[in-house]
Amino acid sequence: QKEVEQNSGPLSVPEGAIASLNCTYSDRGSQSFFWYRQYSGKSPELIMFIYSNGDKEDGRFTAQLNKASQYVSLLIRDSQPSDSATYLCAVYNAGNNRKLIWGLGTSLAVNP
Amino acid sequence: DGGITQSPKYLFRKEGQNVTLSCEQNLNHDAMYWYRQDPGQGLRLIYYSQIVNDFQKGDIAEGYSVSREKKESFPLTVTSAQKNPTAFYLCASSSLGNEQFFGPGTRLTVL
Repeated sequence: QKEVEQNSGPLSVPEGAIASLNCTYSDRGSQSFFWYRQYSGKSPELIMFIYSNGDKEDGRFTAQLNKASQYVSLLIRDSQPSDSATYLCAVYNAGNNRKLIWGLGTSLAVNP
Repeated sequence: DGGITQSPKYLFRKEGQNVTLSCEQNLNHDAMYWYRQDPGQGLRLIYYSQIVNDFQKGDIAEGYSVSREKKESFPLTVTSAQKNPTAFYLCASSSLGNEQFFGPGTRLTVL
């Protein structure tokens, strides 16, 4: 059973702090990794993707991938109350018929 | 304006009725997906389609049916055989990059 695991939270951080969201996956052959943000009552929105080991930065967001440890994380710098949402991790393996394997999400609350 | 549209936004179904949820995309994506999300839960795959006139069951296909007659359209029918259909239904599409893009969703309630 291929799995993606996330801490459900809630993760609570003060405004301006760094929020660190973590995701582990079981399928060692996974190739692509995605972070989605989902506000309450809304659909998921893609915010980052990463394919190679290391860091990938986009504005206040940094995705980090360590394939040896089967671990992907999302860092949000200078967290804002508008970042309060559920963050979903998704993993892709080409042998899985173009399906994504989804984590259950981590709820983030940024406190003013 | 490229994107994915779903209609209706809210849908109410009486027990024993079939209802059809619409999903249309103008992104020229080959693959389309239907997910169900229950309160506080993750995304569960219902059906997906990689090309026109072909589709596969996901993890929870029982009580649902789909068609893919056009590249742009992937409607989902919730049949009376689905005993607990109240949920948030999400349609997504993807191209070769495999990242999925979502429509705004349809919230289905059984009366």
